[in-house]
Amino acid sequence: QSVLTQPPSASGTPGQRVTMSCSGTSSNIGSNSVKWYQQVPGTAPKLLVYSDNQRPSGVPDRFSGSKSGTSASLAISGLRSEDEADYYCEAWDDSLNGVMFGGGTKLTVL
Amino acid sequence: QLQLQESGSGLVKPSQTLSLTCAVSGDSIISGGYSWSWIRQPPGKGLEWIGFIYVSGSTYYNPSLKSRVNISIDRPKNQFSMKLTSVTAADTAVYYCARVRLTYGRALDSWGQGTLVTVSS
Repeated sequence: QSVLTQPPSASGTPGQRVTMSCSGTSSNIGSNSVKWYQQVPGTAPKLLVYSDNQRPSGVPDRFSGSKSGTSASLAISGLRSEDEADYYCEAWDDSLNGVMFGGGTKLTVL
Repeated sequence: QLQLQESGSGLVKPSQTLSLTCAVSGDSIISGGYSWSWIRQPPGKGLEWIGFIYVSGSTYYNPSLKSRVNISIDRPKNQFSMKLTSVTAADTAVYYCARVRLTYGRALDSWGQGTLVTVSS
């Protein structure tokens, strides 16, 4: 069982806006920055968001991250078929003294 | 452009040691502002952080693997390595190496393609 909790699945239709959540505690999300990664099946993960809400260069602004207290969210607007992937949140945990990943959310574009 | 390439044994017998190397090209492994990490993903499951190493040689490991893992850095060869001892079938996974960008809050900003390691007799 992951320290960071994500819903196992999410879905949307092309053009829609979808959000996915990541729930943690005061020792991880509550006190450290959150990152989000996208993993298309069969490929390596790709960094989408760092420092809660910052995008690396090259990541479309359709992807946005936010954080409030011990929870974080990733929103994808203007959903496209190529967004179909697994999405993982990640944060450092001060109590466990290590990097923790959420269990991942599988996004289906209907 | 930075590239990371994992290599090592693809099949390891139970109780033996898993050894992997990550070759870094396109930048120096001792560039300021970065450290280097290993992550794994069992078939059909999520990501699990193994550990990372700073260019100084300081290491941080997943508490659940700490007693069995060692990550080292080879500056002249521009690569870093991982050894995992006493492996079992539960260690079967795709193993990724990645760069940790410290100014991004220690985000894993560049990944290798991954290598599948199977533990089986």
